[in-house]
Order: sequence, then structure tokens, then C-alpha cells
Amino acid sequence: AQSVTQLDSHVSVSEGTPVLLRCNYSSSYSPSLFWYVQHPNKGLQLLLKYTSAATLVKGINGFEAEFKKSETSFHLTKPSAHMSDAAEYFCVVSEDNQGGKLIFGQGTELSVKP
Amino acid sequence: NAGVTQTPKFRVLKTGQSMTLLCAQDMNHEYMYWYRQDPGMGLRLIHYSVGEGTTAKGEVPDGYNVSRLKKQNFLLGLESAAPSQTSVYFCASSYSAASGALGTDTQYFGPGTRLTVL
Repeated sequence: AQSVTQLDSHVSVSEGTPVLLRCNYSSSYSPSLFWYVQHPNKGLQLLLKYTSAATLVKGINGFEAEFKKSETSFHLTKPSAHMSDAAEYFCVVSEDNQGGKLIFGQGTELSVKP
Repeated sequence: NAGVTQTPKFRVLKTGQSMTLLCAQDMNHEYMYWYRQDPGMGLRLIHYSVGEGTTAKGEVPDGYNVSRLKKQNFLLGLESAAPSQTSVYFCASSYSAASGALGTDTQYFGPGTRLTVL
């Protein structure tokens, strides 16, 4: 069975410092992995997606994530945090044989201090 | 091109009342999904549809029904609302369920419906 674990429920960084949001997954088949962002009282927006084409995936707003099969990880990073990055981030896994169903992690709330 | 829209944005119900949430997409997507979001639990799949006229159960289907009479619409019904159904409901759609560089399995989300059951 597939599952997703986001290792931190809350991360706080200062503006201009690096961001690291950690995600581990469990999957029996070749997964697709996603990161979505949700700003307060808003819907979910796709940040980036891994589909086996390249292990380092670049997304919007300067975010990127690296797929590491040996560590079953898909951590999200950004070199320099901006105040507008404050939001909740979800790591998500999907498998081809599951009819497109997504399994969400519990979410990580990112706070950015001035 | 509005993407995925949801109606209504907010609703307050009393226990036992019924209501229908409407999701509409204008991207000609085959797949549509209903999720609920509760604090600390991410999003959980309620029901989904792989095409017009078809529906299937997700992770937490009890207390909900759905219908997909038209390709662009996916309705979520609560026949007898309970306080445990207080949540934020999100609809999503995708072109297909197949992964790959084309990104056809990327799901696009609506803005959500905040439902409170008293």
C-alpha cells in the first residue's frame, strides 16, 4: 500500500534563508510524486511533479525537489525563502494502477519570519 | 477558461439536513474527484469518477453520494448531514490517470467549499 509521511508538521525560517520540507513515501509500483501548496483559505496549486523523466524536478516560484529512490524521499527545497512562501505544503503520491487516486501527506505549515 | 469551480463557497447546515455541492470543469477532463480536508489529516478522497456516468468509492465514502450525469459536472450529495461532516471540500479534475511527461494525470483543484454542520 502506498503512503506518504511528511516529517515536519511545522517549519519556520527567516526570509532569505533556505527552505527544506521533508517527505518520505512508500509505494509498491513506480509512483508519480507531487508537491502542492495551499495558501490560507485558498485551493491547492501544483508546485512540481516527478514522473521518472529526471530525478531533480524544478517547479514554480523557485522550488525544486529531488527524487531519491534509495531513500524513498522527495524533499522540497528553495534556496531563499520569501514572505509569500508562507503556506501549507502537501507531498502527494499517485500510482498508475490506482486510477489516478492521490494519497496526501499530512501537510507541513511553512512560516517565514521577516 | 475558468478551470475548476465549486458552488457554494460556504454553507451552514443543521444535523439531518441535506445538500448538494456542485463541481464544474471546463477543461474537458475525464477524471473528477471529491476530497475532504480536515486539520492535520491532509486531503482524503471521498468519491471519484473516471468518466461520464461512472462513479467509484474512495477512502471515506460513507454518508456521501455522487453523480456524474454530464462530463463537466460532478455532484456531491449529503443526504443527512452530521457534525462529523464539517470540513472543507475540494473538487479536482484530471485528463487521465496515466502518468508520464505529458502530465495528463495532474489534478487541478477548485477553491473549496467550507461546510459547517451544527
